[in-house]
Parts: sequence; structure tokens; C-alpha cells
Amino acid sequence: SQTIHQWPATLVQPVGSPLSLECTVEGTSNPNLYWYRQAAGRGLQLLFYSVGIGQISSEVPQNLSASRPQDRQFILSSKKLLLSDSGFYLCAWSVVGAAYGYTFGSGTRLTVV
Amino acid sequence: KQEVTQIPAALSVPEGENLVLNCSFTDSAIYNLQWFRQDPGKGLTSLLLIQSSQREQTSGRLNASLDKSSGRSTLYIAASQPGDSATYLCAVRLGGGADGLTFGKGTHLIIQP
Repeated sequence: SQTIHQWPATLVQPVGSPLSLECTVEGTSNPNLYWYRQAAGRGLQLLFYSVGIGQISSEVPQNLSASRPQDRQFILSSKKLLLSDSGFYLCAWSVVGAAYGYTFGSGTRLTVV
Repeated sequence: KQEVTQIPAALSVPEGENLVLNCSFTDSAIYNLQWFRQDPGKGLTSLLLIQSSQREQTSGRLNASLDKSSGRSTLYIAASQPGDSATYLCAVRLGGGADGLTFGKGTHLIIQP
């Protein structure tokens, strides 16, 4: 069966510090991978998606970047965090086909102080 | 641009009642629609997925319907229980490619014992 792992679960970082969040998927090959952010009162916002190794698409301009160094690994990064980067970050995967939905990880609560 | 609206934003009812949560979307050319549950501080758990060619899906006490032409979906919860308390999110997928889901802001549901 397919599983998705996301870590860390919580993170408190000072403004201006770097960030690295990691997501890995097991039990599937060549998945589409996604990073979402959930901010209070704003719902879920798609940040990045990837259809393969090294292929990253960004949905919104921001202080963050994403990378996919391996087929089932997706990393969200920042060189210098801003207060506005605080939020709940969720990784997800999917495959092509109307019968298939999205599967989400357990999320990372990031607080920038 | 696809927009997804969920009504009501919050709902509090006594245990045992049957509930209907509503979701509407502006672009009827969807690929599929997915209902999720989110517990506080947790990731998203998929409840039901309805393909664009389908009218409804059922899982236990949950039934989701889809009326693509009118841009509406409903999630019906029968015989509600305190354990059903959570935020319920509706999300639509526009195409079969790697594009992400578009989410509503959710319905926060509280079932009173």
C-alpha cells in the first residue's frame, strides 16, 4: 500500500533562518507531488507541484522553493524565513486518472518568530 | 478561475441528527471531486471521491452526490456521532494532469453528545 511521510511535525524558526521540510512517498512510482499551505482563514493554497525528478512548477510567487531530487522525495525550502511563512504545510501525491484522488501527509506546523 | 464555496462555514448539532454539507464550484468542467476530513492540527483524510461521470458515492454513514451541471455537491452524514466532529473540506480537480486541487474553506462541524 502507498504511504506518505512528512517531517518534522512541528517547527519553530526565527525570522531570517533557513527552512527544509521533507516529504517521501512509498509504494508508488512516478507520482505527482504537491506542497500546499494552510493559513488561518485562507484555506488550502497550492504552492508547488512536480511531475518528475527535477521538474517543479510554482503556483504563486513567494519566499519558498521546492526540489525533487528523487522520484519519491519532495523538499520545500527557504533561504530566509519571513513571519508570513508561518502556517500548516501539507505534502500530497496523486496519479493520473479520474478514479484516483489525492493523498495527503500529516502536515508540518511552522511558526516563524 | 475555479472557485469552491462551502456552506455553512460552521455547524453545531446534537448527536443523532442527519446532516447535509454543501459545496458549490464555478467551473462545471471538473475531472473529479473529493471530500476530506481534517481533525485539528492534523492532515487531510480522504472520505469520498466522485468521478465526473458519477452521481454519488457511499461509504458507511457518508453519502456524497455530484450535480456537475449545476456545480454542486453535497455530503450527507447519517446518524451523526461526536466522533464526526471535524472540518470537512470539498476539493475539485479540473483536469487529468498534474494540476492541484482547488479547495473550499471547509465546514467546521461540532456534534454535541
